[in-house]
Amino acid sequence: SQKIEQNSEALNIQEGKTATLTCNYTNYSPAYLQWYRQDPGRGPVFLLLIRENEKEKRKERLKVTFDTTLKQSLFHITASQPADSATYLCAPRSGGYNKLIFGAGTRLAVHP
Amino acid sequence: GAVVSQHPSWVICKSGTSVKIECRSLDFQATTMFWYRQFPKQSLMLMATSNEGSKATYEQGVEKDKFLINHASLTLSTLTVTSAHPEDSSFYICSATMEGQGAFFGQGTRLTVV
Repeated sequence: SQKIEQNSEALNIQEGKTATLTCNYTNYSPAYLQWYRQDPGRGPVFLLLIRENEKEKRKERLKVTFDTTLKQSLFHITASQPADSATYLCAPRSGGYNKLIFGAGTRLAVHP
Repeated sequence: GAVVSQHPSWVICKSGTSVKIECRSLDFQATTMFWYRQFPKQSLMLMATSNEGSKATYEQGVEKDKFLINHASLTLSTLTVTSAHPEDSSFYICSATMEGQGAFFGQGTRLTVV
């Protein structure tokens, strides 16, 4: 069955450092992979989408890589700030309107 | 970006009653919407995929007679929790997708059954 794995343990980093979150998937051949941010009591917010033919995507302080051979995506936040503290979810997805399933998410805490 | 509005944001109901949650795409047409449930400190669990004009597709273990989904138009999907019980208390979230883009989520509905 399809499986999405994200680090279940919280990631604690110092302000200004780069946070790196990992998403691994199995039994998937996603056409693209998405990353979301979720704050407590709120719905997820879309951050970035990377397609299978793209190795890397950037948006301001965010960078996502996608390795279809390793079946892995890495999500980086550079120059992290306390406001970046949240849970980050990945969602590999096939094309079309197939169901959207999320990993369990990794909680990031950026300390001043 | 696209906006998805979910209503109500919170509701308290008595055990045995039914509750309807609405999910609207405000500035785009959504052929497909998704309904999720999330328990405290747990991940989003997909309950069903709502398709406009046809029956919803439910995930394994989700009772379709208990969680009624109607997607009558391209901008509105509803989830009705029938005969609610305390164990149905949870955070329910809907989303709508645009092909090739990310999903847009509603604000979520906190359901408490007493």
